[in-house]
Amino acid sequence: GQNIDQPTEMTATEGAIVQINCTYQTSGFNGLFWYQQHAGEAPTFLSYNVLDGLEEKGRFSSFLSRSKGYSYLLLKELQMKDSASYLCAVIDSNYQLIWGAGTKLIIKP
Amino acid sequence: EAQVTQNPRYLITVTGKKLTVTCSQNMNHEYMSWYRQDPGLGLRQIYYSMNVEVTDKGDVPEGYKVSRKEKRNFPLILESPSPNQTSLYFCASAGTSGDYYEQYFGPGTRLTVT
Repeated sequence: GQNIDQPTEMTATEGAIVQINCTYQTSGFNGLFWYQQHAGEAPTFLSYNVLDGLEEKGRFSSFLSRSKGYSYLLLKELQMKDSASYLCAVIDSNYQLIWGAGTKLIIKP
Repeated sequence: EAQVTQNPRYLITVTGKKLTVTCSQNMNHEYMSWYRQDPGLGLRQIYYSMNVEVTDKGDVPEGYKVSRKEKRNFPLILESPSPNQTSLYFCASAGTSGDYYEQYFGPGTRLTVT
């Protein structure tokens, strides 16, 4: 079966750095997304990785290692508004999105 | 403004009473999809559509129907809702051109079936 694993919840301090990990086992791989979802709201796109390496976009960076079936989202200079759930999703060989259950990130002052 | 709209945003209904949740997008996207989101389970795909008159089952299609008669609209139909369909529902759309397709989500419909 297909599986995506993320930690259920993480806590970090305002101004700090946090890394949210995602491991996946899917039938094929055609890319990996990270989405941010504030409570009760729709997910919004953060990043897309299809090749190994680090993609940086402002305070957020996303890393991919296809050989390890592993990705992480790195958030720097954390702000209170970053408190949200972060969803990892993989495009499989049939070009369908497989979603992780999400990581709830709690930011403390 | 590019957007995906859903209606209603909130709905409380009773078991067995047919309902439809509408979804519309103004981005001329070919791909549209319905998800349900439950605590601890993440997003699960119900149905998706690659284009007009083309629909396919996702991971959890039982108890749901969809149609895609026009490119912009993708309604979700619950013929006989049951309490286990109480959930938060999201519609999403994406263009299929380019290197990848970024999904745009609607604001969500919170459905309660009693």
